[in-house]
Amino acid sequence: SFVLTQPPSVSVAPGETARITCGGNHIGIKSVHWYQQKPGQAPSLVIYHNRDRPSGIPERFSGSNSGNTATLTISRVEAGDEADYYCQVWDSSSDHNVVFGGGAKLTVL
Amino acid sequence: QVHLVQSGPEVKKPGASVKVSCKASENTLAGYYLHWVRQAPGQGLEWMGWFSPNNGATNYMQKFRGRVTMTWDASFSTAYMQLSSLGSDDTAVYYCARAEYGDYIDSWGQGSLVTVSS
Repeated sequence: SFVLTQPPSVSVAPGETARITCGGNHIGIKSVHWYQQKPGQAPSLVIYHNRDRPSGIPERFSGSNSGNTATLTISRVEAGDEADYYCQVWDSSSDHNVVFGGGAKLTVL
Repeated sequence: QVHLVQSGPEVKKPGASVKVSCKASENTLAGYYLHWVRQAPGQGLEWMGWFSPNNGATNYMQKFRGRVTMTWDASFSTAYMQLSSLGSDDTAVYYCARAEYGDYIDSWGQGSLVTVSS
């Protein structure tokens, strides 16, 4: 099945830009979605279809996808952005349809 | 507004079965698929499978086939996920989640903690 690789952790200072990557074989041809999960809460969608933001998600959150890497970019990071972030794709080539990355913990220093 | 409300925490002994429910607000699953995702303590998200309330179709991840059953009770707008032959590594928060086929998850239940302990 398709494998998504994320860094376990990313650390940035407030006001800086955080980039969280999601690697996969030719992931650029797939549609990538990103979820934010804060402690004790269910995940919530922050980016879908590589770069689209659901209503209510700040413009500081953006996404890109090309080649073998998709990236979630969070500009002007705030303390409230500290959370785990998961990338996800749909893999129709196997029975493992919904594939999540291992998750990346964003720490705001 | 989509609401998926799940059943409360469960404690089960090894070898037992658990059935988690997920009640959907009326008509919010029409045309959608209901996924089940679990998260072991301190771990990432693990997809288990999906169920179609529209036609009853299912797709279970190979790892869970033979142990998991996903069903739907239309009269109560409630989905169920039953997992049998529980082991300690099944201790996790189980989430139900809604998505169109082949697309992103746009709504999640609050999660149901299942603890397997002797």
